Amino acid sequence: GNSVTQMEGPVTLSEEAFLTINCTYTATGYPSLFWYVQYPGEGLQLLLKATKADDKGSNKGFEATYRKETTSFHLEKGSVQVSDSAVYFCALTNNNDMRFGAGTRLTVKP
Amino acid sequence: DAGITQSPRHKVTETGTPVTLRCHQTENHRYMYWYRQDPGHGLRLIHYSYGVKDTDKGEVSDGYSVSRSKTEDFLLTLESATSSQTSVYFCAISESWENSYEQYFGPGTRLTVT
Repeated sequence: GNSVTQMEGPVTLSEEAFLTINCTYTATGYPSLFWYVQYPGEGLQLLLKATKADDKGSNKGFEATYRKETTSFHLEKGSVQVSDSAVYFCALTNNNDMRFGAGTRLTVKP
Repeated sequence: DAGITQSPRHKVTETGTPVTLRCHQTENHRYMYWYRQDPGHGLRLIHYSYGVKDTDKGEVSDGYSVSRSKTEDFLLTLESATSSQTSVYFCAISESWENSYEQYFGPGTRLTVT
């Protein structure tokens, strides 16, 4: 079946540090991959997506590359800001099924 | 922002009582979803709808029912609430069920069953 595994948090970084949140998936066929972000008290918002192998999604300085050979979609940002503090969810859609990872809480300190 | 509202935003209810949560959209999207969010589990799909009166079960549908009589409204009902249904519930919409289409989420309803 389809599943998503992402690194457990919480992750605490200082402002301007480099961020990596690991995400791996299990799926047959050709899933699409997503990163969503949830700010306190709000619903999830799409951060970026990739729909086929080797695609790179990017938005607001965040990037993730769809790696079929390693079944991964790791989220990266070169220099985090305090405003990036949130919970990040990796997700996939495949054949009428959508699965989310457990979420990784990021806290960025000034 | 996608036009999705949920009501109520917060509710406390007692075990054994019926509860209905409402999701309303102004985007005219065909697909609507109900998820629950629990620590350590991310979001799990409860039910979804692919059109008026067309619904299907998700991963954690036991104890929940849904109805969709209009394109814009999707109701989630807990017939007899239990403490295990204490959670944050999110509604989502999308234009298509195709893999590449993202979902847009409402602000959530925090439900506490005492």
